[in-house]
Amino acid sequence: QKEVEQDPGPLSVPEGAIVSLNCTYSNSAFQYFMWYRQYSRKGPELLMYTYSSGNKEDGRFTAQVDKSSKYISLFIRDSQPSDSATYLCAMSANSGAGSYQLTFGKGTKLSVIP
Amino acid sequence: EAGVTQFPSHSVIEKGQTVTLRCDPISGHDNLYWYRRVMGKEIKFLLHFVKESKQDESGMPNNRFLAERTGGTYSTLKVQPAELEDSGVYFCASSHIQGRSTGELFFGEGSRLTVL
Repeated sequence: QKEVEQDPGPLSVPEGAIVSLNCTYSNSAFQYFMWYRQYSRKGPELLMYTYSSGNKEDGRFTAQVDKSSKYISLFIRDSQPSDSATYLCAMSANSGAGSYQLTFGKGTKLSVIP
Repeated sequence: EAGVTQFPSHSVIEKGQTVTLRCDPISGHDNLYWYRRVMGKEIKFLLHFVKESKQDESGMPNNRFLAERTGGTYSTLKVQPAELEDSGVYFCASSHIQGRSTGELFFGEGSRLTVL
C-alpha cells in the first residue's frame, strides 16, 4: 500500500465550478499536510499548509484534514482557467531541526474550461 | 528576489555517461533539498542539506548518486554512471532554517534528465 494515494485524474470542470481534490494516507505519523500547485514545466509551489486536523481557508481555497480518516481535501471555489494545473498533496511527520522529508501524492491534473 | 535556479533544464545522455546537475538556492536559505520524479511516479525525496552538511540522505537510490554542497551555497548532484532508470525530473528546493515547520519549501523548475 502506498503511503499517499491521490487520483491522478485528469479532472475537467467548467469555469465557476467548485473543485474537490483529495488524498488518503496510511502513515499515522504524518502531522503536516500541504497542497502544492504545479504548472506545466514549472516546479511545485506551496498553496496551502495545515498542521494536524482541521480546516484552513485562503481566498477561494479551503484545505481540510481529517486525521481520524487519514483523508485530506482541497476545495477550490469559483474555479478559474488560471487554476488549470496539477495539484499535489504532500505530507510530513517531521519538523524543527530534523529532516524535512515530504511524501507526495502523484498529483491530480485539473483543467478549468472557460 | 531570485528563486531557486537549476541547471541544465534538460540533459540527454547515453547510458554509462556522467551528468552533473546544479542548484542555486534562494540566497540565505540554509536548507537545500533534492527530490526526483520518475515518469508515472510520485515526487520522491532524495536528500537534505543544512548548510554544507548532509542532514538526511536516506532517499538516495544508490552510490551512483553523489550530492555536494561545498561552502553551503549551491549544490550539485552527480550521477555516475547513469542508467536508464535514472531518467526523470530532478527538483531542488530550499527553505529558511526552521524553528517551527511551515512547509515553505521553494522549488526550482527542475532538471529533466533523459538517459538513452
